[in-house]
Amino acid sequence: DAGITQSPRHKVTETGTPVTLRCHQTENHRYMYWYRQDPGHGLRLIHYSYGVKDTDKGEVSDGYSVSRSKTEDFLLTLESATSSQTSVYFCAITPGQGNTGELFFGEGSRLTVL
Amino acid sequence: AQSVTQPDIHITVSEGASLELRCNYSYGATPYLFWYVQSPGQGLQLLLKYFSGDTLVQGIKGFEAEFKRSQSSFNLRKPSVHWSDAAEYFCAVGAGSGNTPLVFGKGTRLSVIA
Repeated sequence: DAGITQSPRHKVTETGTPVTLRCHQTENHRYMYWYRQDPGHGLRLIHYSYGVKDTDKGEVSDGYSVSRSKTEDFLLTLESATSSQTSVYFCAITPGQGNTGELFFGEGSRLTVL
Repeated sequence: AQSVTQPDIHITVSEGASLELRCNYSYGATPYLFWYVQSPGQGLQLLLKYFSGDTLVQGIKGFEAEFKRSQSSFNLRKPSVHWSDAAEYFCAVGAGSGNTPLVFGKGTRLSVIA
């Protein structure tokens, strides 16, 4: 257990509304990630962070923004949700301070955009 | 850039039969390689990893994988499959340094029949 908590776990929203998903960790890990998972596409990286205020884009970053103002929280924001953003979102961390690539995942947040 | 190919989208095996899931990667240097498993409705769990050294690595739940540099492969094996092994399996490759995140394959879904 890497001490990762995602919230909310389930959310239904309407097209055009803003949505923020939160990933919280309690063990001072440096690297945090947001992935989305869709049938037939596997896991796709949205954004990642390698420290406070240090973030970078993944392969599917359009329509998403992130913030990491403190070590323990990595927020994913959909400024104006679209139906194509209906998905399961997973937060992950790499244990410790180095980038071994090893990941521990949260339990996922299921987002439905109507 | 790194990439991962899992050629088999879906595999069905009989309980007690042996299993091999294929993974081919593309990476210019020595890769860090991983297999993750996702049971239905769950997040991903690390099965095993290869960083360096012995090319045959043992993981949890009786799984093993072999790194073959000449074939750019990291296939996952299990000698005798149990019904509880039914899940989706993801191969991933990482650089193991810098800030570059893991790249995942699209996954192989394993079904187990009696």
